[in-house]
Amino acid sequence: DGGITQSPKYLFRKEGQNVTLSCEQNLNHDAMYWYRQDPGQGLRLIYYSQIVNDFQKGDIAEGYSVSREKKESFPLTVTSAQKNPTAFYLCASSLQGGAGYGYTFGSGTRLTVV
Amino acid sequence: AQKVTQAQTEISVVEKEDVTLDCVYETRDTTYYLFWYKQPPSGELVFLIRRNSFDEQNEISGRYSWNFQKSTSSFNFTITASQVVDSAVYFCALSQGAQKLVFGQGTRLTINP
Repeated sequence: DGGITQSPKYLFRKEGQNVTLSCEQNLNHDAMYWYRQDPGQGLRLIYYSQIVNDFQKGDIAEGYSVSREKKESFPLTVTSAQKNPTAFYLCASSLQGGAGYGYTFGSGTRLTVV
Repeated sequence: AQKVTQAQTEISVVEKEDVTLDCVYETRDTTYYLFWYKQPPSGELVFLIRRNSFDEQNEISGRYSWNFQKSTSSFNFTITASQVVDSAVYFCALSQGAQKLVFGQGTRLTINP
């Protein structure tokens, strides 16, 4: 079955460490997205990519980086510059220019700073 | 800029009651899409419905129904005869151009047995 796989499900980071969250899709979707979810704040867009080797900042990109070397993969790195990284991170995909069709979401990664 | 407001942060009802989740949006686009997603405790957002700006017909799917009113920029979601399995966080979303969705804050719905 096609879908989006996020790993790991839970991730713990020490202060000052960079960590990378994985997102893989086999839906043949061109566009991929990373959202951050905090209690009471809904989903906020971090980065998105419409095609391979291209990506754009979302509303809260500071302290994060991404790459899009393959159509299927859109990893998110949470750098030490992100001051408050503890959150639930959701990856999504859609057809290119297909926001009108909605997104397919992964099951999320819960990141905790220890 | 596009904006979605879900004013109800949390709702708690007893099983079998009807419940309506409100969604109000702002956009300058003439063509846009509205969505509802359900987020159960597992975390994954599940698509419920999509509505385009030219289709104001209400939709019913089993116990779920949606009321889209452009005149009031609202896209409300009603669950009839609620069940414990309906407990989740529900998000309303609006397309921003062709590339992005803007989400509301979410409404946490708790159905008590």
